[in-house]
Amino acid sequence: AQRVTQPEKLLSVFKGAPVELKCNYSYSGSPELFWYVQYSRQRLQLLLRHISRESIKGFTADLNKGETSFHLKKPFAQEEDSAMYYCALSGPYGGSQGNLIFGKGTKLSVKP
Amino acid sequence: KAGVTQTPRYLIKTRGQQVTLSCSPISGHRSVSWYQQTPGQGLQFLFEYFSETQRNKGNFPGRFSGRQFSNSRSEMNVSTLELGDSALYLCASSLTGTTGELFFGEGSRLTVL
Repeated sequence: AQRVTQPEKLLSVFKGAPVELKCNYSYSGSPELFWYVQYSRQRLQLLLRHISRESIKGFTADLNKGETSFHLKKPFAQEEDSAMYYCALSGPYGGSQGNLIFGKGTKLSVKP
Repeated sequence: KAGVTQTPRYLIKTRGQQVTLSCSPISGHRSVSWYQQTPGQGLQFLFEYFSETQRNKGNFPGRFSGRQFSNSRSEMNVSTLELGDSALYLCASSLTGTTGELFFGEGSRLTVL
């Protein structure tokens, strides 16, 4: 069955330190993976998706099919990065990505 | 553009009652998805509608149902409420539901007593 695992519930780093939020998935087929973020008192929103291969707010994520991972990285954390981060996998219904399978999230806390 | 709007934002019901939640997607978006968020299970997919048709359904009992209207607005209904149905119900819309970029509402927080 498709599943997304985020092993860390909470990750605390100091400002300027590198950040890596881990995400592992299980999926039979070619997965589509995403990172969503929820800042305090804001809505859940898309941060980035692996097919775009883009860097958003300094964050990047590389899909590693061999390790079935999609870790989110940023070389220098900022206080405004403090938020809840969710890794998500497109569901089993081909051609439709309105159904995402979410991990349980990692709360990132960046200390000054 | 106005964002995804969900009503009501908060509601309290008792076991056995039913509830209807409403979602107005971003103008022009035709896909609406519903998710249940709880501390224990996290975000779980309920169902997705596209052009008034249910396109996908998650692993929830038949007490959970939904529909979409011609203007893309969607409602979900939960009948015979149980304590375990207490959750934040999130609605998300997208243009076609094929890119994975979902725009979420603020949610409807349901408490079942």
